[in-house]
Amino acid sequence: EAGVTQFPSHSVIEKGQTVTLRCDPISGHDNLYWYRRVMGKEIKFLLHFVKESKQDESGMPNNRFLAERTGGTYSTLKVQPAELEDSGVYFCASSPRDRVLYGYTFGSGTRLTVV
Amino acid sequence: GNSVTQMEGPVTLSEEAFLTINCTYTATGYPSLFWYVQYPGEGLQLLLKATKADDKGSNKGFEATYRKETTSFHLEKGSVQVSDSAVYFCALNENFNKFYFGSGTKLNVKP
Repeated sequence: EAGVTQFPSHSVIEKGQTVTLRCDPISGHDNLYWYRRVMGKEIKFLLHFVKESKQDESGMPNNRFLAERTGGTYSTLKVQPAELEDSGVYFCASSPRDRVLYGYTFGSGTRLTVV
Repeated sequence: GNSVTQMEGPVTLSEEAFLTINCTYTATGYPSLFWYVQYPGEGLQLLLKATKADDKGSNKGFEATYRKETTSFHLEKGSVQVSDSAVYFCALNENFNKFYFGSGTKLNVKP
């Protein structure tokens, strides 16, 4: 089966611009998560979707970040306007309803550089 | 709250050397513990996990034991290979919800 797909793989934008990251989870996975790793530090949780609903968005850093999951399929994470500190690697993960049994699958990430 | 602390890298070893990457955690409940690995250009892959105290997770020659008394989950391998070069992340997860990751340890194995 296809894995979790993220694109673009790399993005370089100027401060103040808008960037949209996309994640395509494994088909049928209800749960979708966004994480990010900034400046080589720990990977931090951003938010969790169950189907199209936001289950937990406690990790979203501020209102410049907007996440959506259309129809419970793919998800987008928009940063507007981007700031220098938003640079990092953004990971997406998905899991089926039975997370205990089947675990999680991570994408290869989007490396965002804000200059 | 929950947090994970792991040794900083990079760690550079010669092939066939013994590997230890230290990981300690703080948790409010009874978490499951994980090691994930990221090879160059790839996503995070589950390496091993342990779901309760004294459990040992193992995979591909790597091992880690869930030590509740020392709140640790150190990763070990008896003989590393060049192909083990990657970034290793320790993580915890309570109730199979969101993960708390450490900062990652980059391992370089030289032939």
